[in-house]
Amino acid sequence: DIQMTQSPSSLSASVGDRVIIACRASQSISSYLHWYQQKPGKAPKLLIYGASSLQSGVPSRFSGSGSGTDFTLTISSLQPEDFAIYYCQQSYTTPPLTFGGGTKVEVK
Amino acid sequence: EVQLVESGGGLVQPGGSLRLSCAASGFTFSTYSMNWVRQAPGKGLEWVSYISSGSSTIFYADSLKGRFTISRDNAKNSLYLQMNSLRAEDTAVYYCTRDQGSLYYFDYWGQGALVTVSS
Repeated sequence: DIQMTQSPSSLSASVGDRVIIACRASQSISSYLHWYQQKPGKAPKLLIYGASSLQSGVPSRFSGSGSGTDFTLTISSLQPEDFAIYYCQQSYTTPPLTFGGGTKVEVK
Repeated sequence: EVQLVESGGGLVQPGGSLRLSCAASGFTFSTYSMNWVRQAPGKGLEWVSYISSGSSTIFYADSLKGRFTISRDNAKNSLYLQMNSLRAEDTAVYYCTRDQGSLYYFDYWGQGALVTVSS
């Protein structure tokens, strides 16, 4: 199975900060990498698919990059509603579909 | 508007069974693959099972070891997860998710159904 490792597991940031979250795959997954945001008590929400494509309705301050084994999710200017947990997910091999452990973005 | 609404969660004793349902609306259900994803309390996301649009292809997470069965009824726009021989470690919120075709990502999620396995 492909293992997904996110870093950091948590970070503290302020409104307006640029935030970068990393996700590394245990083997190459091409661009089969997707990002989700989850707020407390809510279902996850798709942000980015195919490593860099922005899901409809998602603010343009979110962007994704990378291919192969190393990927990043960038929030260009953190907004109050962006404090949440972010997960990456690979779909290069099915089954299983696997998620990273999550990165919690907290208020500094 | 795409909506996925899970039902059937609850408290069950170890070794018991439970059947989750997911009612889909706002899209042509019969043309989309679907998945179940779960999240144990305070933990991350874990993919559980996949079913193709016509039920011809089904996948499960290895950890389930044949205890869970995914199915769907396209006439009723519904997805199901039959869970047998439940264990404490199956305690989680179970999400019904729509699969976005060949890239296998989840573009819509239900609100989740809590399954608690405890005596």
